[in-house]
Amino acid sequence: KNEVEQSPQNLTAQEGEFITINCSYSVGISALHWLQQHPGGGIVSLFMLSSGKKKHGRLIATINIQEKHSSLHITASHPRDSAVYICAVTGNQFYFGTGTSLTVIP
Amino acid sequence: DVKVTQSSRYLVKRTGEKVFLECVQDMDHENMFWYRQDPGLGLRLIYFSYDVKMKEKGDIPEGYSVSREKKERFSLILESASTNQTSMYLCASSLWNRDSIEAFFGQGTRLTVV
Repeated sequence: KNEVEQSPQNLTAQEGEFITINCSYSVGISALHWLQQHPGGGIVSLFMLSSGKKKHGRLIATINIQEKHSSLHITASHPRDSAVYICAVTGNQFYFGTGTSLTVIP
Repeated sequence: DVKVTQSSRYLVKRTGEKVFLECVQDMDHENMFWYRQDPGLGLRLIYFSYDVKMKEKGDIPEGYSVSREKKERFSLILESASTNQTSMYLCASSLWNRDSIEAFFGQGTRLTVV
């Protein structure tokens, strides 16, 4: 069973493109996280949100609680954005998506 | 400011060694978790703890044990490391209030067992 589904699994974009990664979940949650994992494995927490929208630089995360859906947007994508992006939801434990592997080509 | 610290980013151990992975949080969180990440399988829950000296098995506890003697520290123990325990290990902590939740992740420890 997959409590958290992400799409797409793999994404290749040209530098400068607008990118959207989607996350749908089926469990009741208190919060949703977007994580970034670069080659080499270190994991960085980008956002934690429970409603609405958050913005940090070129990254925007939105969540629709009623539809159980979140999106991560990257504006003006850059090769350094190449990484795996993981959606995680928090209920009584964490549930993780399998990740979206993003490659941004110069 | 780092809130969840895992003691090592990279670790190489020999088969049969006893291995300790340490996770420390400085936010007085009650809940702490250990996950492992493997290609094609994503992140899977090994053990979690809701309080000091309390532990619960996750989805894949075999071959692991944990220790939570103090609120801020949650240790994952590999009693006798095996090559199939080569993986990325991620620690997380959280605090549930009536109206909100606070949660943070460590950076991960990449363990190689040779």
